Amino acid sequence: RKEVEQDPGPFNVPEGATVAFNCTYSNSASQSFFWYRQDCRKEPKLLMSVYSSGNEDGRFTAQLNRASQYISLLIRDSKLSDSATYLCAGGYQKVTFGIGTKLQVIP
Amino acid sequence: GAVVSQHPSWVICKSGTSVKIECRSLDFQATTMFWYRQFPKQSLMLMATSNEGSKATYEQGVEKDKFLINHASLTLSTLTVTSAHPEDSSFYICSAEDRGPDYGYTFGSGTRLTVV
Repeated sequence: RKEVEQDPGPFNVPEGATVAFNCTYSNSASQSFFWYRQDCRKEPKLLMSVYSSGNEDGRFTAQLNRASQYISLLIRDSKLSDSATYLCAGGYQKVTFGIGTKLQVIP
Repeated sequence: GAVVSQHPSWVICKSGTSVKIECRSLDFQATTMFWYRQFPKQSLMLMATSNEGSKATYEQGVEKDKFLINHASLTLSTLTVTSAHPEDSSFYICSAEDRGPDYGYTFGSGTRLTVV
């Protein structure tokens, strides 16, 4: 079983829609969780860290569910510029990435 | 914010030669750095964890004699791909752990290696 798993998509959503991604992790000892955004042929860039209490940054909300071992990312009011691959990451002492979920926001 | 510089951005080399990739943390000290590899349409795969002043920890299936990692200072880790083969062609990315107030992992811009 992969340490971090996520649906690769693609998710095609209209502009203005709300979209949610989930990501599961297998190591119950994992303590650090992140969501990264990766544009084509570029390095991943940190979108937000995920805290136990959940956190929000503008249109983006991240949540952690330790009981079910998953993290989620919610994007409200999708913009065309949100089109990218979203990578979840987590781990203990080392960070492992999921395969990434491709999001395409269409006009 | 934390900045990680990775060089070169791209490199083309002949089979059998060695290539060195550098990863520097510019405004913070990184005791731990990570090296990842990403093949097209695949996820970032952790190759090894680089620890300053000690040997790197390699992930299962990664040949330590082929991918030499040196982390001699708190701001520099290097990855040397030795005796490169076409199947080593990939996107290599480093990441540094920032244990400062803004805890997190910052990535370098990546190195696209093509072995011909």
